[in-house]
Amino acid sequence: AQKITQTQPGMFVQEKEAVTLDCTYDTSDQSYGLFWYKQPSSGEMIFLIYQGSYDEQNATEGRYSLNFQKARKSANLVISASQLGDSAMYFCAMREWGNTPLVFGKGTRLSVIA
Amino acid sequence: GAVVSQHPSWVICKSGTSVKIECRSLDFQATTMFWYRQFPKQSLMLMATSNEGSKATYEQGVEKDKFLINHASLTLSTLTVTSAHPEDSSFYICSASPQGAPTRYEQYFGPGTRLTVT
Repeated sequence: AQKITQTQPGMFVQEKEAVTLDCTYDTSDQSYGLFWYKQPSSGEMIFLIYQGSYDEQNATEGRYSLNFQKARKSANLVISASQLGDSAMYFCAMREWGNTPLVFGKGTRLSVIA
Repeated sequence: GAVVSQHPSWVICKSGTSVKIECRSLDFQATTMFWYRQFPKQSLMLMATSNEGSKATYEQGVEKDKFLINHASLTLSTLTVTSAHPEDSSFYICSASPQGAPTRYEQYFGPGTRLTVT
């Protein structure tokens, strides 16, 4: 069974600084996808970034990058130049190959301080 | 990007009544949709997988007779909470990917439905 672990319930970061949100995963599958979603207080789920298990390079999307270490089964999200609008819950998630559901971690609440 | 809508966005109902929540993919077809439930300050938990034209697959611990799922078309799945009780109060979110989309394709989430049972 798949499992996602986010060990940081809450994080604080100064505006304009970078922050890393941790995520480790466990799966017996060789083919899988890793995702990060942002959930502001409105509740909507906003897709941030994706990393495939066979991707050799770390994914990047604007200010978001994913530090993928396959041997350690970690997929940490790095947010550079934090903005006040980045304050939200962040979920790491995984899905098996194909149109399968996402399995989510418990989330990390990020607070950006001015 | 693709859009998934949910209706209603919030609903208050009395204990013992039933509530139907609709999830629509507006600009793509989805043979499979997923229903999640999120309690306050918790993560999203998969409730069931909704398959067009066939029975839904429920996760362990989710009562299929209480949470009725119907996926009658490639763009619509409904979740009916029957005989709702206060413990069913939660945030219900659906998601879908375009038919035939690869794994790397993001799942598009609806905006969620906040259910409060009094």
